[in-house]
Amino acid sequence: GAVVSQHPSRVICKSGTSVKIECRSLDFQATTMFWYRQFPKQSLMLMATSNEGSKATYEQGVEKDKFLINHASLTLSTLTVTSAHPEDSSFYICSANPPGAGSYEQYFGPGTRLTVT
Amino acid sequence: RKEVEQDPGPFNVPEGATVAFNCTYSNSASQSFFWYRQDCRKEPKLLMSVYSSGNEDGRFTAQLNRASQYISLLIRDSKLSDSATYLCVVALSGGSYIPTFGRGTSLIVHP
Repeated sequence: GAVVSQHPSRVICKSGTSVKIECRSLDFQATTMFWYRQFPKQSLMLMATSNEGSKATYEQGVEKDKFLINHASLTLSTLTVTSAHPEDSSFYICSANPPGAGSYEQYFGPGTRLTVT
Repeated sequence: RKEVEQDPGPFNVPEGATVAFNCTYSNSASQSFFWYRQDCRKEPKLLMSVYSSGNEDGRFTAQLNRASQYISLLIRDSKLSDSATYLCVVALSGGSYIPTFGRGTSLIVHP
């Protein structure tokens, strides 16, 4: 099956610093990737849709200047949490769906657990 | 009303039991439906797609009821390893594919 990787898997940073999370599709090209955030015992919340070669589309309530998304190639999207605060501590997961007619199955990266102290 | 609703549970069942989850969705234009499984502190993994005619994969059966706008997942002969959170995912098809997740239903299978 399709493989999506994320790096790092876990990061602890100090309040006010920035953290970059990478999402890679390893065996397929993804023109679109999705970034989610999941707080404990909550559902995945879509933050933004990352589009290769163009600006990301952010969901309502997600600050685009705080959560910078770059999708510079067909296999890599990055999410940078700028000026992180403790309330940004969460599980960040990316996903992509392999190309193909009718292929709407999402393949998720293993997630990045961010802790802001 | 939330776009995708699930009973969070937990559903606490003994091994061997049959358990069913429902998920309701609000957008009647939704075309794609999936069940994902998420283990604690892990990423979701696709369990099965849900087709209009219903589909079965081993002990798992998924059904779609468009008229009432819900999908269901039936697990027969529950195993301890089935303990997880089951996420319902609904999406519009076409150019603007954006999946919407339910908050998940927690299943605990005990000996």
